[in-house]
Amino acid sequence: GENVEQHPSTLSVQEGDSAVIKCTYSDSASNYFPWYKQELGKGPQLIIDIRSNVGEKKDQRIAVTLNKTAKHFSLHITETQPEDSAVYFCAASNAGGTSYGKLTFGQGTILTVHP
Amino acid sequence: NAGVTQTPKFQVLKTGQSMTLQCAQDMNHNSMYWYRQDPGMGLRLIYYSASEGTTDKGEVPNGYNVSRLNKREFSLRLESAAPSQTSVYFCASSRLGPYEQYFGPGTRLTVT
Repeated sequence: GENVEQHPSTLSVQEGDSAVIKCTYSDSASNYFPWYKQELGKGPQLIIDIRSNVGEKKDQRIAVTLNKTAKHFSLHITETQPEDSAVYFCAASNAGGTSYGKLTFGQGTILTVHP
Repeated sequence: NAGVTQTPKFQVLKTGQSMTLQCAQDMNHNSMYWYRQDPGMGLRLIYYSASEGTTDKGEVPNGYNVSRLNKREFSLRLESAAPSQTSVYFCASSRLGPYEQYFGPGTRLTVT
């Protein structure tokens, strides 16, 4: 099955700096890669996703890049703000394959943005 | 529009007791999921229901059963709780497959 590794496990930045979280996946058939943000005491919330037919996607201060050859994808947050502090999870799925509907998550990154 | 709701929010069980976690969504989604979240291990899929009338095992199904009661509701049952099932349980739903899953607020379960 799919295996997703996420690094770093914790990340501390100053307000206004950029933050980068990286994930690698094992199944070359995976074609859908979402990122979720989880605030304390809440369920995860989708913030951005990318499909394997594109290499980069942006939404205001966040962007995701995908390198299919190397089987890794990254989340980039620019101009970080204290409200970006949360746990971030990457995930991968072979949508449409025999694992239809399943997401495999990374271990999570605790991001702390200091004012 | 409440999204995904879960009951209860907290529960303490003794080893061997049984309980059912309830989940409901009001977004007319086809697919529903149960995950458990443990420190340092991300979210792991227990069971899922790709559409009403179907259920399938995820990564960690042992010790659990599920029922897709109708399109809105998907329950998770622990028949004989064990301390290893101490975790936070999340229900999620999506219109179709893995895309844009919406998560509930979670149930924190402790088994002593």
